[in-house]
Amino acid sequence: GPKVLQIPSHQIIDMGQMVTLNCDPVSNHLYFYWYKQILGQQMEFLVNFYNGKVMEKSKLFKDQFSVERPDGSYFTLKIQPTALEDSAVYFCATRGAETLYFGSGTRLTVL
Amino acid sequence: GQQVQQSPASLVLQEGENAELQCNFSTSLNSMQWFYQRPGGSLVSLFYNPSGTKHSGRLTSTTVIKERRSSLHISSSQTTDSGTYLCALGGVPNTNKVVFGTGTRLQVLP
Repeated sequence: GPKVLQIPSHQIIDMGQMVTLNCDPVSNHLYFYWYKQILGQQMEFLVNFYNGKVMEKSKLFKDQFSVERPDGSYFTLKIQPTALEDSAVYFCATRGAETLYFGSGTRLTVL
Repeated sequence: GQQVQQSPASLVLQEGENAELQCNFSTSLNSMQWFYQRPGGSLVSLFYNPSGTKHSGRLTSTTVIKERRSSLHISSSQTTDSGTYLCALGGVPNTNKVVFGTGTRLQVLP
């Protein structure tokens, strides 16, 4: 099926630093999502994005989080500054008409 | 808000047995998707099934909107079926939010 690429697959940073997670979506998809999953726990919705705007976000999408997709390039999740509780796997998903397709995730470790 | 509950939370089978996984939701829906999450974490889409019944190999998904439930049936389970099964609900018209269930961890023993 269609591929969603996430870069990098792993990221280790010190608390307080900025991190940008990148998602290369399926080419004709218009809806973009970020999810957060702590090991062994539920997949949690963070935010969805359409036509250059945040459509909905959850309580987990803190003020330190931001998303953008400048000029049709990567769909990015930026965390600035990071906190210890941001350690998790972050999944990007994109959707055309119906089916949601996921990337393989970026494992973020905040030390 | 949207609530999506899956049952059972975990299930252990002997190879060859069948499994029935349930997903119950408390709101209306406009999309329902089942995923398999590999032990390494990546997700595979199994079905997009907002209503009715769909088949794919040994898998069958049935969504009954009036009863606010969707099920995933696995027949003749294999050890490679082990992993976590997730349902994802897109509910409430005019939103694009998709919320995941709590997941069922399946272990199939040889």
